[in-house]
Amino acid sequence: QLQLQESGPGLVKPSETLSLTCAVSGGSISSTDYYWGWVRQPPGKGLEWVASIYYNGDTYYNPSLKTRVTISLDASKNQFSLKVSAATAADTAVYFCARTPKTGILTFDRWGQGSLVTVSS
Amino acid sequence: QSVLTQPPSVSGTPGQRVTISCSGSTSNVGSNYVYWFQQLPGAAPKLLMYRNDQRPSGVPDRFSGSKSGTSVSLAISGLRSEDEADYHCAAWDDSLGGHWVFGGGTKLTVL
Repeated sequence: QLQLQESGPGLVKPSETLSLTCAVSGGSISSTDYYWGWVRQPPGKGLEWVASIYYNGDTYYNPSLKTRVTISLDASKNQFSLKVSAATAADTAVYFCARTPKTGILTFDRWGQGSLVTVSS
Repeated sequence: QSVLTQPPSVSGTPGQRVTISCSGSTSNVGSNYVYWFQQLPGAAPKLLMYRNDQRPSGVPDRFSGSKSGTSVSLAISGLRSEDEADYHCAAWDDSLGGHWVFGGGTKLTVL
């Protein structure tokens, strides 16, 4: 059974870099069948796609965040990561990692439990 | 401000049928599949509907989806207390090189 688990600091200071990792178990991020990505949800608000990555390193970013966001993967550890630079209070959110099948369902079909990141001094 | 527009809230009584709307534009809903996610309080979103009207395994047939032009609807019939949750619509948007867009979410209250 596929499981995704987010980890990272719960508190980040303004202007610093927010970093998160998603550990994948029960499946391989080197599979050609899936994209791996991040979706965030500010407190009390809707969902916002942040970025996605394919096994070969191809990356896809939300145009509104593209200049500050980097997504990467580490096949040796079966995990992928997100960095958001120059963090502000607007980046405060629960960050979910999720899987997207390349065929069939074509959207986020498996999710992690989420990790709350607060940007505050 | 979300790209897709959903009503902030809807409500219904047990056994009733309710619908949740989601409107977009020609670059997203009008030209791509729409997806629905159910988010129970304090939990991660769960895929509820894919490719406009397809239910993943395990989703009851009380849930149905439809699409017309740049608008879609999620219908829930035989409303149950456990359906109380936030519902989010999503679609791929072809503008700006392509990206995922979501609605602001709709809170369903079962009275």
